[in-house]
Amino acid sequence: EVQLVESGGGLVQPGGSLRLSCAASGFTFSHYWMHWVRQAPGKGLVWVLRINSDGSSTSYADSVKGRFTISRDNAKNTLYLQMNSLRAEDTAVYYCARDSGGIWGDAFDIWGQGTMVTVSS
Amino acid sequence: DIQMTQSPSSLSASVGDRVTITCRASQSISSYLNWYQQKPGKAPKFLIYAASTLQSGVPSRFSGSGSGTDFTLTISSLQPEDFATYYCQQSYSTPLTFGPGTRVDIK
Repeated sequence: EVQLVESGGGLVQPGGSLRLSCAASGFTFSHYWMHWVRQAPGKGLVWVLRINSDGSSTSYADSVKGRFTISRDNAKNTLYLQMNSLRAEDTAVYYCARDSGGIWGDAFDIWGQGTMVTVSS
Repeated sequence: DIQMTQSPSSLSASVGDRVTITCRASQSISSYLNWYQQKPGKAPKFLIYAASTLQSGVPSRFSGSGSGTDFTLTISSLQPEDFATYYCQQSYSTPLTFGPGTRVDIK
């Protein structure tokens, strides 16, 4: 079964750091670009970051540039999100998502169940 | 950045109704448009890509159309499991952006 499982969420104080993980199974992880998408409570979906299949290229939303870092370990089939200098507005469910790999740009065909990050004092 | 809008923001419908949701991009995105369904407390589900191509396993009552800046998602005969929030997303350029969502609930 194709699956993504996030972990690492929790409560963190403003200015703090957190690292999320996303474990992939059921497909050849190293062949796919991957993304993080977040959703604040009661709000819509917001794309945050993207990494290519070998980890050599990344793209970031302006809202997290300089604070968040996406990386991957293809040997461990795991995607990571390092979040630093966290702000209250980063509070959200964070989803990892697989890029469909099609010719029509970046679409998200497989999603994890999400992990909640709460930034509060 | 490409801004995505959706209308309506919410709608009430009955089982068996035909439902149409509109998505508009702030600039032309050709057919680089995808649709997702999200139920409360769950991850989104991928429905349609390239504006009109159904993802494998998605029921044929779902259809998409449009190109350029204007797109629609149609559910031909609403089923109980279709009550959810629907999001469009442009894949033309980064930052990838979603519409604000359209909530479909039971009349």
